[in-house]
Amino acid sequence: DAGITQSPRHKVTETGTPVTLRCHQTENHRYMYWYRQDPGHGLRLIHYSYGVKDTDKGEVSDGYSVSRSKTEDFLLTLESATSSQTSVYFCAISESVTSEAFFGQGTRLTVV
Amino acid sequence: AQRVTQPEKLLSVFKGAPVELKCNYSYSGSPELFWYVQYSRQRLQLLLRHISRESIKGFTADLNKGETSFHLKKPFAQEEDSAMYYCALRDQGAQKLVFGQGTRLTINP
Repeated sequence: DAGITQSPRHKVTETGTPVTLRCHQTENHRYMYWYRQDPGHGLRLIHYSYGVKDTDKGEVSDGYSVSRSKTEDFLLTLESATSSQTSVYFCAISESVTSEAFFGQGTRLTVV
Repeated sequence: AQRVTQPEKLLSVFKGAPVELKCNYSYSGSPELFWYVQYSRQRLQLLLRHISRESIKGFTADLNKGETSFHLKKPFAQEEDSAMYYCALRDQGAQKLVFGQGTRLTINP
């Protein structure tokens, strides 16, 4: 497996609380992505990064923010969690725009 | 904007039968297309990509630019092929990797 770790693996949180998910890589890959996986919707891109401090929005970015202060870490923050953000979140990394993407194990987030 | 459509959420076939998972895309540039697979309790992983034109685990996929399709095919399904399959498109201009809705393939014995 590529050196990519997501934490936490599972989290239950209350509506309105802030939540931060972490993606850590040891591959020194330039590109990092955050997706959410929902039944019937597949994988939808939330945000992605193409370098330190270089990030951009995906197709479902509302309610989420990201930060990448180091190559190895890509943080996804839900400023005020809502029940619609209950999902499985996947991080992925890619060395270049033409190379394979490697995925983390996923984080199951439940907002109650 | 780029878009990937997998029209079948669920597909069920018998062992030994041919399999075809459909993928259609919309993209104004020159697309780079992939198939990813997620087996039960495993990470999502790359199955194949169109530029390599190789066969992985008996699966092949041909890019048809005229029909904007990248269907995944296997002539004889095996039980271990049961998994979730995602078609994906890389938007090189924006450096994004966009996925379809996924198709859950079940191979019946």
